[in-house]
Amino acid sequence: GQQLNQSPQSMFIQEGEDVSMNCTSSSIFNTWLWYKQDPGEGPVLLIALYKAGELTSNGRLTAQFGITRKDSFLNISASIPSDVGIYFCAGQRTSYDKVIFGPGTSLSVIP
Amino acid sequence: GAVVSQHPSWVICKSGTSVKIECRSLDFQATTMFWYRQFPKQSLMLMATSNEGSKATYEQGVEKDKFLINHASLTLSTLTVTSAHPEDSSFYICSAPALGGEAFFGQGTRLTVV
Repeated sequence: GQQLNQSPQSMFIQEGEDVSMNCTSSSIFNTWLWYKQDPGEGPVLLIALYKAGELTSNGRLTAQFGITRKDSFLNISASIPSDVGIYFCAGQRTSYDKVIFGPGTSLSVIP
Repeated sequence: GAVVSQHPSWVICKSGTSVKIECRSLDFQATTMFWYRQFPKQSLMLMATSNEGSKATYEQGVEKDKFLINHASLTLSTLTVTSAHPEDSSFYICSAPALGGEAFFGQGTRLTVV
């Protein structure tokens, strides 16, 4: 079945540093999604990408939909302590379809 | 963004009993909802697709007689874990696609079977 790989698995960074994480897929997705999950909570949608090559920002977050439709990256600029959490990339083959999740990247921010 | 609400947030039940979890889309209608399960330090794994007015579609390896899904209205889907056992203890999360098709998730239900 479809499988997503995410890297890095975990990151420990200093407050104020920029962060970059990426996601690759064995097959094509037509929608890429990035979520953040805090402990004991459901994932919260950060950015949705709908077109190959699309670059979208949400505050300090920027994400891109890879041209091959098999990859995406998420950048966080000037990290702050509340950025701590698990970041998941996810893909949909079509709108309204089930969401397939990557394994997640655990982000820790050192004040 | 769209709001999806789950109830209860956490539940403890005895082994052998059944537990019902509700998932509601609060400000939009959803003909389809999705149920996921997440074990500690793991990602979300899709269990089943809930379809309003018809039978749910289960992912491979998920027992449909154990995890009963009912999608009785355009804003409510329920997941019932029947004859729960300790290995069913997990974090159960539902999602529904909003207007743009992207999925919004409930806050999750922590199930502990003792």
